[in-house]
Amino acid sequence: GAVVSQHPSRVICKSGTSVKIECRSLDFQATTMFWYRQFPKQSLMLMATSNEGSKATYEQGVEKDKFLINHASLTLSTLTVTSAHPEDSSFYICSARDRLEYGYTFGSGTRLTVV
Amino acid sequence: KQEVTQIPAALSVPEGENLVLNCSFTDSAIYNLQWFRQDPGKGLTSLLLIQSSQREQTSGRLNASLDKSSGRSTLYIAASQPGDSATYLCAVPFYGGSQGNLIFGKGTKLSVKP
Repeated sequence: GAVVSQHPSRVICKSGTSVKIECRSLDFQATTMFWYRQFPKQSLMLMATSNEGSKATYEQGVEKDKFLINHASLTLSTLTVTSAHPEDSSFYICSARDRLEYGYTFGSGTRLTVV
Repeated sequence: KQEVTQIPAALSVPEGENLVLNCSFTDSAIYNLQWFRQDPGKGLTSLLLIQSSQREQTSGRLNASLDKSSGRSTLYIAASQPGDSATYLCAVPFYGGSQGNLIFGKGTKLSVKP
């Protein structure tokens, strides 16, 4: 089945630094990838939709200058958390779909801790 | 606006019990519905995908049903095992704003006691 690889799985960074998270579709091409965020004991909330070759679409309340998304190829999307603050500490997870009828495949997630 | 609700929020059962997790959605115009499992600190594992034209899907001890008209889906787990302990999420695609992102329920946290 479709596999989405996400790295790193866990990262701790200092406040003010930037962190890049990668999401790759291993055996299919994904023109669209989705980035979600999950706070403790909460469900997944969509942050942005990553479109290959064009600008990402951000959900209301998500700062596009803070969460930079690049979808440079059909198999790779990256999320960069810039000037990270402790309140950005969360679980970030990407998702993509091979075909409409196949359902969504998720990466393994990235636990970001900003200290 | 599509909203997904899962009941109960948490469930604790002894090993061997059969159990049912419930999911409801407000907009019945869905393309499909997907059930996921999430272990603590981990990503999501897809369990079952039900297309809108289907009424149920089965995989091993899992059976998911879908009733679009009433906006409900259930996940039935037979002969539960401690390894089934996890949070179970249901989700439906949303095609209003983004290109088909998923709308999730808050999940049911299942604990199966040995």
